[in-house]
Amino acid sequence: KAGVTQTPRYLIKTRGQQVTLSCSPISGHRSVSWYQQTPGQGLQFLFEYFSETQRNKGNFPGRFSGRQFSNSRSEMNVSTLELGDSALYLCASSLANTGGDYEQYFGPGTRLTVT
Amino acid sequence: QKEVEQDPGPLSVPEGAIVSLNCTYSNSAFQYFMWYRQYSRKGPELLMYTYSSGNKEDGRFTAQVDKSSKYISLFIRDSQPSDSATYLCAMSRYGTSYGKLTFGQGTILTVHP
Repeated sequence: KAGVTQTPRYLIKTRGQQVTLSCSPISGHRSVSWYQQTPGQGLQFLFEYFSETQRNKGNFPGRFSGRQFSNSRSEMNVSTLELGDSALYLCASSLANTGGDYEQYFGPGTRLTVT
Repeated sequence: QKEVEQDPGPLSVPEGAIVSLNCTYSNSAFQYFMWYRQYSRKGPELLMYTYSSGNKEDGRFTAQVDKSSKYISLFIRDSQPSDSATYLCAMSRYGTSYGKLTFGQGTILTVHP
């Protein structure tokens, strides 16, 4: 079965621009989470969507937003890019709609560089 | 102070060595404790998880959780060059997939032949 796919894999943007990243979860998975990974801060949770609704949110500014479509595909958007937004953005999908021991499967990530 | 602390290493060991990786945490509400492995240019993959305190073994890997000390460990026996990766601990209140996972910084491990 196909894994989590993320597009694009690499992206270079300029400060002040905005960017949209895409994530296609594993077929049948309805939960999609987004994480930011940087050398300094590690992996940090951005937000989680389940059935098109944001269910959880991390401590990121409002410039970071996301959405989920009816087919469970998800996008995240970062507006007014800053140099500090340069990071690997990871998407993870899961079967679960509640707690428990369902695994989160991560995609390969989108490497965003802001110049 | 971060909720989860993990020594980033790097850690370099010879093939066959026993590797010990550790994390400490401050949030006593955490109930699920996970270890992820991340190879270069890949996303993290779940190695194993433990609910509450105790030990769990899976082949060459053993996870330990001591909630009284807020300390978790991952042991790798008979380490192999293919174990070379970044190891991340992660924790959650509600489950391995629901809501927010809080990760440690990750430890870079190199096993040399």
